[in-house]
Amino acid sequence: DIQMTQSPSSLSASVGDRVTIPCRASQSIGNYLNWYQQKPGKAPKILIYGASSLQSGVPSRFSGSGSGTDFTLTISSLQPEDFATYYCQQTYSSPYSFGQGTNLEIK
Amino acid sequence: QVQLQESGPGLVKPSETLSLTCAVSGYSISSGYYWGWIRQPPGKGLEWLGTVYHSGSTDYNPSLKSRVTISVDTSRSQFSLKLRSVTAADTAVYFCARLHYYDSSGYFFDYWGQGTLVTVSS
Repeated sequence: DIQMTQSPSSLSASVGDRVTIPCRASQSIGNYLNWYQQKPGKAPKILIYGASSLQSGVPSRFSGSGSGTDFTLTISSLQPEDFATYYCQQTYSSPYSFGQGTNLEIK
Repeated sequence: QVQLQESGPGLVKPSETLSLTCAVSGYSISSGYYWGWIRQPPGKGLEWLGTVYHSGSTDYNPSLKSRVTISVDTSRSQFSLKLRSVTAADTAVYFCARLHYYDSSGYFFDYWGQGTLVTVSS
């Protein structure tokens, strides 16, 4: 099975900051990597698919990069509504595992 | 607008079977797409449980071994999850979702239910 690692598990930042959230796969997954945002009590929301494709309706301050085993979600200028938990997910092979999440907190 | 809604008991006794249904509106399941279940233990991360195609073909997380069954009822536009022999470790919020394929191997969950908490306790 492919293990997805997100470290750190939490991150503090301020409104307006540029933030990068890393995700590492235990083996190469090509670019089959998704990023989701989850707020407390809500279902996750897709932000980025295929490592770098922005889902329709998602603000352009979100971007994704990487391939193989190392991936990054970047938020160019943090907005108050961006404080949430972010999960990566690989869809290269079943079981389609998620990372443990990175909780983005207000500094 | 596609909407998904989970339903089922919020409390299940240990060793019994957890049964949930996901009702889909705004889209006909028989038209295509894969449909899936994901769970999230309180305060923890997401776990992919499995998927079902409108034809009935399935793919399950081996970590659940042979305890899980996902089925589809196109006539009612719903799909279901059964998890047998549950323990406290199966306590979680269970989400249903639709899979959107963007190429032959790549997909993402685009529409989600709100989630339903299932507690395993005697």
